[in-house]
Amino acid sequence: NAGVMQNPRHLVRRRGQEARLRCSPVKGHSHVYWYRQLPEEGLKFMVYLQKENIIDESGMPKERFSAEFPKEGPSILRIQQVVRGDSAAYFCASSPKANTEAFFGQGTRLTVV
Amino acid sequence: QQQVKQSPQSLIVQKGGISIINCAYENTAFDYFPWYQQFPGKGPALLIAIRPDVSEKKEGRFTISFNKSAKQFSLHIMDSQPGDSATYFCAATLRVGSGAGSYQLTFGKGTKLSVIP
Repeated sequence: NAGVMQNPRHLVRRRGQEARLRCSPVKGHSHVYWYRQLPEEGLKFMVYLQKENIIDESGMPKERFSAEFPKEGPSILRIQQVVRGDSAAYFCASSPKANTEAFFGQGTRLTVV
Repeated sequence: QQQVKQSPQSLIVQKGGISIINCAYENTAFDYFPWYQQFPGKGPALLIAIRPDVSEKKEGRFTISFNKSAKQFSLHIMDSQPGDSATYFCAATLRVGSGAGSYQLTFGKGTKLSVIP
């Protein structure tokens, strides 16, 4: 039962370092979504990607954050020069096509020290 | 800003009782309203969902009631069990993006449900 796989599950970075979060969607799913969850908060949409294309990045901060979903390999959410406020759980979801139900991974919990 | 407001923040219910969680939204362009269940350390899992052309949907012990004119919807968990103890999120979708659109979910802040024996 290969659902959405995210790694690492936990990531600790010092301020100023780079964080790379990986997401392997459900096999056959070509749509990937990234969400961020702050403590005691709901999930906030960050970015929606389809293979090799960014469809909607309206929820992603303009600086330090980037996302990609290459033709081969997992989707990557990259955070450069991390700050304490980036500490959160980052969830990836995938769906087989647009406007269909998306399935969530277990998340990566990023802690910036 | 598009928002989904959820209440209560936390809820304690006795085993066998009814758990009720409420959500209200502002944007009438929302066209799909799912509820998610999240256990500690896990990702959200879809529980049940409804579209605005339906006033109620029931799946097992879980029921969504939808009031389009009031822009409100609620989750009812009948015969609540300790295994239902989790955080519940309501959400709504807004069609954005070009081409086929996207599945951007707007979430409420969550309700932590504790079902006590």
